[in-house]
Amino acid sequence: DAKTTQPNSMESNEEEPVHLPCNHSTISGTDYIHWYRQLPSQGPEYVIHGLTSNVNNRMASLAIAEDRKSSTLILHRATLRDAAVYYCILRDLRGTSYGKLTFGQGTILTVHP
Amino acid sequence: DAGVIQSPRHEVTEMGQEVTLRCKPISGHNSLFWYRQTMMRGLELLIYFNNNVPIDDSGMPEDRFSAKMPNASFSTLKIQPSEPRDSAVYFCASSLEWANGYTFGSGTRLTVV
Repeated sequence: DAKTTQPNSMESNEEEPVHLPCNHSTISGTDYIHWYRQLPSQGPEYVIHGLTSNVNNRMASLAIAEDRKSSTLILHRATLRDAAVYYCILRDLRGTSYGKLTFGQGTILTVHP
Repeated sequence: DAGVIQSPRHEVTEMGQEVTLRCKPISGHNSLFWYRQTMMRGLELLIYFNNNVPIDDSGMPEDRFSAKMPNASFSTLKIQPSEPRDSAVYFCASSLEWANGYTFGSGTRLTVV
């Protein structure tokens, strides 16, 4: 599986934007970039995913570098409820990987009031 | 939609006892995953079912672990005999094949004493 690299932790203030980086220099052409987050004492929650183009949804935006070797999850206005562990995962829908998700250590996001 | 339903939420058992964890996936989803989460090892994929058939069980730690999916709406993960090192939070997730993302349940916190 292609690997991702994320900072161990980041901090933000409430109502400010947050940019969570992810490096994936060995990404293949068929890997989708997925982001999940895990709030305390809950299961992981799907946030957003993309392949080549930037993506927006009600939760966040995903900015993908032109060479696809890095991406950034953008929370436009952080709230206290956004404090969680954020996972950047490469998902290959081909072949024997069957699109399974392999979680790394993620980034612990702390949001200050 | 009630989401992915796991039971029990908490389980405390004595070493050597059999433990059965249960999962009801989202109706219509045809892929089901069992994950285990510990502080030391993070989120680990144990087994993956597609259309009720086990596709990848390479993450199952040892023969004490077994999983079944007798129909599209129910799956079990059994540990027999249980050991203290099996203490963890076990998550079940389901998805539509090749679809956007996984939906995780709230997990079962297992403590083996």
